[in-house]
Amino acid sequence: DGGITQSPKYLFRKEGQNVTLSCEQNLNHDAMYWYRQDPGQGLRLIYYSQIVNDFQKGDIAEGYSVSREKKESFPLTVTSAQKNPTAFYLCASSIDSIRPGSTDTQYFGPGTRLTVL
Amino acid sequence: QKEVEQNSGPLSVPEGAIASLNCTYSDRGSQSFFWYRQYSGKSPELIMSIYSNGDKEDGRFTAQLNKASQYVSLLIRDSQPSDSATYLCAVDNTDKLIFGTGTRLQVFP
Repeated sequence: DGGITQSPKYLFRKEGQNVTLSCEQNLNHDAMYWYRQDPGQGLRLIYYSQIVNDFQKGDIAEGYSVSREKKESFPLTVTSAQKNPTAFYLCASSIDSIRPGSTDTQYFGPGTRLTVL
Repeated sequence: QKEVEQNSGPLSVPEGAIASLNCTYSDRGSQSFFWYRQYSGKSPELIMSIYSNGDKEDGRFTAQLNKASQYVSLLIRDSQPSDSATYLCAVDNTDKLIFGTGTRLQVFP
């Protein structure tokens, strides 16, 4: 059963705590992405990785950290430095990094809804 | 800042009608364009991709691309209540996608 899995589905965090969101894919995709979505908003890119042991900041990387030690895994840590972390977090992957003219597409996991109490 | 613009809606259409969703983008260098459908509380799912000027049809969905005018649209024929969702337009930007904020479509019986 191939796809992208994210866990947990719902996550509650107290202020000042770090939390780590899991993203795993068994599609053999090289590229993986983390997005944040706020109510009524589009997707904003947090971090992305085109290859193992390498990743780049997206548009809203402050207060977040990632690692890419394995091809199939791209965990996201929401640190206490993130001032407003309550949001819907989406992980995505694609065969290769998106390039102009590429026909690769991104596929999304089911998401993790994080709430800060 | 490269941008992708969509009307937030809601766009309300009766069942059986054609729904027309539009998207404009700012980067003339973009070459790959995608439409995703997102049901409330769920993750986006890919509906269509288009790379060349003109129309691309897949079942009830038609994507239209006009690079000269920098817009891409999605037509949904014979709209059904199950099509009610938010439709996200995405455009390539170097090595990632930029998403619009989405258009909410409501199909009423």
